[in-house]
Amino acid sequence: DSGVTQTPKHLITATGQRVTLRCSPRSGDLSVYWYQQSLDQGLQFLIQYYNGEERAKGNILERFSAQQFPDLHSELNLSSLELGDSALYFCASSGTGLNQPQHFGDGTRLSIL
Amino acid sequence: GQSLEQPSEVTAVEGAIVQINCTYQTSGFYGLSWYQQHDGGAPTFLSYNALDGLEETGRFSSFLSRSDSYGYLLLQELQMKDSASYFCAVREGNQAGTALIFGKGTTLSVSS
Repeated sequence: DSGVTQTPKHLITATGQRVTLRCSPRSGDLSVYWYQQSLDQGLQFLIQYYNGEERAKGNILERFSAQQFPDLHSELNLSSLELGDSALYFCASSGTGLNQPQHFGDGTRLSIL
Repeated sequence: GQSLEQPSEVTAVEGAIVQINCTYQTSGFYGLSWYQQHDGGAPTFLSYNALDGLEETGRFSSFLSRSDSYGYLLLQELQMKDSASYFCAVREGNQAGTALIFGKGTTLSVSS
């Protein structure tokens, strides 16, 4: 158990819809990261937040957005969903410092029908 | 940008030793990490090398040569439960913000 909690575990929805994925980091971790894993693209970094502020951005689509709240939990919002958005979405958290490892949650499996 | 190369598949038998290589190209380097992922599960942190040399953690060791932009993960006394995907990853960014850039992963199959 990494200590990172993601909900829901599975999500099935239709094209055009909007969903919100939730992540609670490990106790004491200020950084939260979101990753997308699909069969053809592998593990892709989406975005990082540190103590409520956006710190790094990857190839995140404009239809996707995220935020980190004062209690440090984070949400990833995906809108105007397309079939290609079907993937595993992972949240990770880490302590402060470049050498701190990232610890991953169990992910949310999103299926778009 | 960053790119990492690792073999797509490796097979071995129980009790054997296997080495998974990773070469990388980066614009800035903050260390090489290794993660294990079982089917559909969470990536699990295995090791991190910031400096050249060998890091040992139980049956697993990781090596880094920064001059060669190369590292490897060594798994000893293989067990069936080691069948999984293994990813090397480098950090991109700076003190303000970082991301892990992953290789495409190596699928390790351990047979009896």
